Amino acid sequence: EPEVTQTPSHQVTQMGQEVILRCVPISNHLYFYWYRQILGQKVEFLVSFYNNEISEKSEIFDDQFSVERPDGSNFTLKIRSTKLEDSAMYFCASRLQGRATEAFFGQGTRLTVV
Amino acid sequence: LAKTTQPISMDSYEGQEVNITCSHNNIATNDYITWYQQFPSQGPRFIIQGYKTKVTNEVASLFIPADRKSSTLSLPRVSLSDTAVYYCLVGDPSFGNEKLTFGTGTRLTIIP
Repeated sequence: EPEVTQTPSHQVTQMGQEVILRCVPISNHLYFYWYRQILGQKVEFLVSFYNNEISEKSEIFDDQFSVERPDGSNFTLKIRSTKLEDSAMYFCASRLQGRATEAFFGQGTRLTVV
Repeated sequence: LAKTTQPISMDSYEGQEVNITCSHNNIATNDYITWYQQFPSQGPRFIIQGYKTKVTNEVASLFIPADRKSSTLSLPRVSLSDTAVYYCLVGDPSFGNEKLTFGTGTRLTIIP
């Protein structure tokens, strides 16, 4: 079964450092997303990406965040200057297209900011 | 966006059928109902999706009454591995970039 893969599985970084979280969506999918989940809380939408541009972003996705699909296969989330409150599980997801298609989620990257 | 309400938690014994009901009184005409499952430290996983009446796949059944203001996810003969959080989502998937809005979900615990 095709799957979304994320690397690394766990990242520890110091406050103020930049991090890049990587995702390889399913190859024929066209819509890409990042979500995050703070420990014990809901899964929250961050950003959606289609046709090489951001389709929608949440209030969480401020200027410290950026996304990129640099080479047609990888989909990255960059946090420029991490804060303690950025500590969370970050999930990448992708969808094919058309009505009623499911989103496939990766296993997540656990980001710990110290 | 239609708001959903589902029980915070449920317990069930192994081998039982489990039914989790979700209320979505403000569901719109074009909205579908989708259920996801999430195990600890893993990403959500699609279980089933429907628009009306009944949908069944190898994992679950989804019952949607005619007014579509609620839906029931039915898991037949649960096992310990079905312990997870189950999310009911309502939205119009005709826009491919539609985001998923997760609520707090129902934490299902299966007891041996």
